[in-house]
Amino acid sequence: GAVVSQHPSRVICKSGTSVKIECRSLDFQATTMFWYRQFPKKSLMLMATSNEGSKATYEQGVEKDKFLINHASLTLSTLTVTSAHPEDSSFYICGSGRTSGELFFGEGSRLTVL
Amino acid sequence: GDSVTQMEGPVTLSEEACLTINCTYTATGYPSLFWYVQYPGEGLQLLLKATKADDKGSNKGFEATYRKETTSFHLEKGSVQVSDSAVYFCALSDDFNKFYFGSGTKLNVKP
Repeated sequence: GAVVSQHPSRVICKSGTSVKIECRSLDFQATTMFWYRQFPKKSLMLMATSNEGSKATYEQGVEKDKFLINHASLTLSTLTVTSAHPEDSSFYICGSGRTSGELFFGEGSRLTVL
Repeated sequence: GDSVTQMEGPVTLSEEACLTINCTYTATGYPSLFWYVQYPGEGLQLLLKATKADDKGSNKGFEATYRKETTSFHLEKGSVQVSDSAVYFCALSDDFNKFYFGSGTKLNVKP
């Protein structure tokens, strides 16, 4: 069964609004979660590493104020796309790993900004 | 830095044909290697992995062997099915904390 769950799977919002995406680890404690963005016909781009109880680590070129990440507990990380615009429309995927070394992904969230 | 290069798609095959999707990597250390699969409209699922040289990962009829001498981890399947149609991603992890993905290869299997 799924070990990482993401919600919502699809969201449509108006330009200028903020959208929150949740990522939960279902059967293990995740001190670290990863947020990826997938562009059409492209690979996954790591946006940031979410660390429980501390600030997220953002990859170069990713706006911290635009993509707010909160990892308040060992089972939940959230990504908030603030003041969303059409260019933020994308497929966002979270992932987390166990000590076995592999990364488990959520189902993904497709954001459409009108 | 670390990176993964995989063959561009799409790859179109008839059912029961043989599949090979090439993947090569560049890494400074001794990475673990993975193949992930993404079915339409879904997230990524781990297909198989190998953690050291000469290891062979296998799952659902797919196989890939960790070749250190050629820095490769090609995905193979002897007889594909329509249900194998998906996008396949090769990935490496230098440590537990960071994964690098290839650009993905779309596989279309026709009945």
